[in-house]
Amino acid sequence: DQQVKQNSPSLSVQEGRISILNCDYTNSMFDYFLWYKKYPAEGPTFLISISSIKDKNEDGRFTVFLNKSAKHLSLHIVPSQPGDSAVYFCAASARGGGNKLTFGTGTQLKVEL
Amino acid sequence: DAGITQSPRHKVTETGTPVTLRCHQTENHRYMYWYRQDPGHGLRLIHYSYGVKDTDKGEVSDGYSVSRSKTEDFLLTLESATSSQTSVYFCAAGGEINNEQFFGPGTRLTVL
Repeated sequence: DQQVKQNSPSLSVQEGRISILNCDYTNSMFDYFLWYKKYPAEGPTFLISISSIKDKNEDGRFTVFLNKSAKHLSLHIVPSQPGDSAVYFCAASARGGGNKLTFGTGTQLKVEL
Repeated sequence: DAGITQSPRHKVTETGTPVTLRCHQTENHRYMYWYRQDPGHGLRLIHYSYGVKDTDKGEVSDGYSVSRSKTEDFLLTLESATSSQTSVYFCAAGGEINNEQFFGPGTRLTVL
């Protein structure tokens, strides 16, 4: 029972173009969403987050969009850079769930020159 | 990285042996977590702690136990390791502010 789904295991994008990573969720109690980035042999690092009271949050090249009615969020990276090549995890936390996070399966992004 | 270290970083062990993984944090976070990462499953929560001596089960807790006797240390124990517990284990701390957790570098465990 995967409550947070990332249906694209991999994505390849050219340098300078936009990368769009998608995430779907099923639990209507989720009210806070985060994106983490992970390089090989390292732990995940926080990238950007969004509360369910918003539909967009922007931080430099990274923007997260939330569509609550569709239970869908996406991470946009513009422009994509080779250093962005990593695995991206979507995560969600639920009202009343403490600080626990439920993670998706991840999307491997490759930014090519 | 919020000062989170894990030891050992790599371990190979045999089925049936006990294994303890250690997580140490220097930022005085109240909450700490243990996850495992497996292909096709992402990160799954094993156990978490919301204070010294206060722990609770996560999604995949069977076969694992934890202890937290000090704020800075969170131990994960496999009482009798099985091959299905071969995985990469990540410790995390935090979550008090905007649910943001900080992760350690991971421990790669192989159970033969």
